[in-house]
Order: sequence, then structure tokens, then C-alpha cells
Amino acid sequence: AQSVTQPDIHITVSEGASLELRCNYSYGATPYLFWYVQSPGQGLQLLLKYFSGDTLVQGIKGFEAEFKRSQSSFNLRKPSVHWSDAAEYFCAVGMNSGYSTLTFGKGTMLLVSP
Amino acid sequence: AAGVIQSPRHLIKEKRETATLKCYPIPRHDTVYWYQQGPGQDPQFLISFYEKMQSDKGSIPDRFSAQQFSDYHSELNMSSLELGDSALYFCASSPQRSTGELFFGEGSRLTVL
Repeated sequence: AQSVTQPDIHITVSEGASLELRCNYSYGATPYLFWYVQSPGQGLQLLLKYFSGDTLVQGIKGFEAEFKRSQSSFNLRKPSVHWSDAAEYFCAVGMNSGYSTLTFGKGTMLLVSP
Repeated sequence: AAGVIQSPRHLIKEKRETATLKCYPIPRHDTVYWYQQGPGQDPQFLISFYEKMQSDKGSIPDRFSAQQFSDYHSELNMSSLELGDSALYFCASSPQRSTGELFFGEGSRLTVL
């Protein structure tokens, strides 16, 4: 079964600084990978996804993520964080063959300091 | 664009009561998923349906049941509610079985008192 590890429970970043949120997955083949963002009490918004092809994927709100098969990682990055980026971020993995549910990581709470 | 619609958005119940959550997928999406997210937790997969048949089952308690109807909407029925059932319940839909991408609704927040 697939699994996702987000090693950082909380991260604090100064506004304007760069951001990297870590995600490692466990899956026997090439997975589908996703990053979702969730503001308090709100739904899950898809930031970006990787299915195949170019390992650097661009998402909404200036986010990008890079799939590294050798490291089983799919880290989320943003060059300059805005205060409105403060939220919880979930990495998720799905299987790439046929029907698939998503398995989520525990999430990383991003705090943005002035 | 149409999104996944969930109702009600908020629901308050007493212990041992029953609750029903509804989900209306994006038009032409044939697969529906239910997730439960407890306070401070990650979303946990409960159950899913493809073409009105149960397709996968996760950590759904026996007290819960769900179904998908002919119009593809789905309902999650929860009986004998417990305090621990208080959570945000997400429904998601996807357009085809092999896509892997899920489109989530805003969630239904259930509070059990």
C-alpha cells in the first residue's frame, strides 16, 4: 500500500522568504502525486499534480514541485512566501494504474511571520 | 465551473443519533469518494463508488454506510453517533477511474455533542 510522509509538522517562514515543504512517498511504481492546501475550516484546494513527464511541475499561486524518483520525494517550493500562504499543506499519493484513492500525509502547517 | 456540492455544510447531532451527508459530484464524474478529517488530522479515506457500485473501502466504521444513486449523487449515513465522529467529511469526485485526480467539495462539518 502507498504511504506519504511529511516530516515537518510546522514550518515558520518570514514573508518574502523562500519555502520548501518536504514530502516522501512509498509506492512500488511511479505514483500520481499531489499537493493540496487547506485553510482553517475550509476544503482542500489542489495546488499541483504530477502524473508523468516533466518532473518539475508548476501549480497555482506560484507553487512548484519536483518529483525525484531516486529520493521518492515530491517537495513543494515557492520562491517568495506571502502572508496569505499561511495554511496547512497536504501531500497525497495515488496509484497510477486504474482506479485509485488518494493517501494523504499528515500535513505541514505553514506559519508566515512578518 | 461546477464543483462538488456537499450538504449540509454544518450539522450538530447528539450522541446515538443518526446523520446523513449528501454529495453531488461534478457533472459527468462517475466516481465518488468519502473522506473523514478529524481535528488536526489528515483526511482518511472511508469509501468510494464507481458507477453506483462500491469500488473501495477504507477505514469506515460499521455504523456508517453509503451509496451512490442513479444520478451519481452519494449519501453517507452515520448511525449511533459517537463523540469521536465529530469531523469534517469531504466528498470528492473524479471524471474517470484511471485519472487519479480527485476534486474535493468544501466539506460537511459534523459536531456530535
